[in-house]
Amino acid sequence: GAVVSQHPSWVICKSGTSVKIECRSLDFQATTMFWYRQFPKQSLMLMATSNEGSKATYEQGVEKDKFLINHASLTLSTLTVTSAHPEDSSFYICSARVLAVNEQFFGPGTRLTVL
Amino acid sequence: DAKTTQPNSMESNEEEPVHLPCNHSTISGTDYIHWYRQLPSQGPEYVIHGLTSNVNNRMASLAIAEDRKSSTLILHRATLRDAAVYYCILSPRHAGGTSYGKLTFGQGTILTVHP
Repeated sequence: GAVVSQHPSWVICKSGTSVKIECRSLDFQATTMFWYRQFPKQSLMLMATSNEGSKATYEQGVEKDKFLINHASLTLSTLTVTSAHPEDSSFYICSARVLAVNEQFFGPGTRLTVL
Repeated sequence: DAKTTQPNSMESNEEEPVHLPCNHSTISGTDYIHWYRQLPSQGPEYVIHGLTSNVNNRMASLAIAEDRKSSTLILHRATLRDAAVYYCILSPRHAGGTSYGKLTFGQGTILTVHP
């Protein structure tokens, strides 16, 4: 099956700093990638849809200036959490959709802890 | 968006079959039925999907009711590695519209497998 990787797998940062998370499709091209957030004991919540070469579409309630998404190539999307605060601590998961097929493949997730 | 209803939790014994139900009474005629599962601290993993007919793959079987208002994921012989949260998700079949490609995760069913 298609493989999606995320880097880093976990990160700890100080409050007020910015953190970048990478999402890569390793063996296929993904015109669309999705970013999710998952708090402990809760389900995944879609944050934004990232399309290669265009601006991301954010879900209602997600601050686009705080969660910067860049999808510069067909295999890479990045999520930058700017000025992170403890309430941003969460499990961030990306997924990539195979071109022309309505199937998504998920990355392993990135655990962000903001002190 | 059409929603799904799943039991909060289910239990099974190892090597026994497991039937995970999902109700989706408001399903659209063009919605696919997807099943994903998530192991602790990992990204979701694709299990199976279908539209109208029952589907089988190496992981599981999907039985879809004739009126498509419910479906059942069948794990033929549960193993300890099958312990996970199982999500039943509806996704539009056709491109176009704001929902295409989006997966809206509910709370899912926590499956516990006993040795």
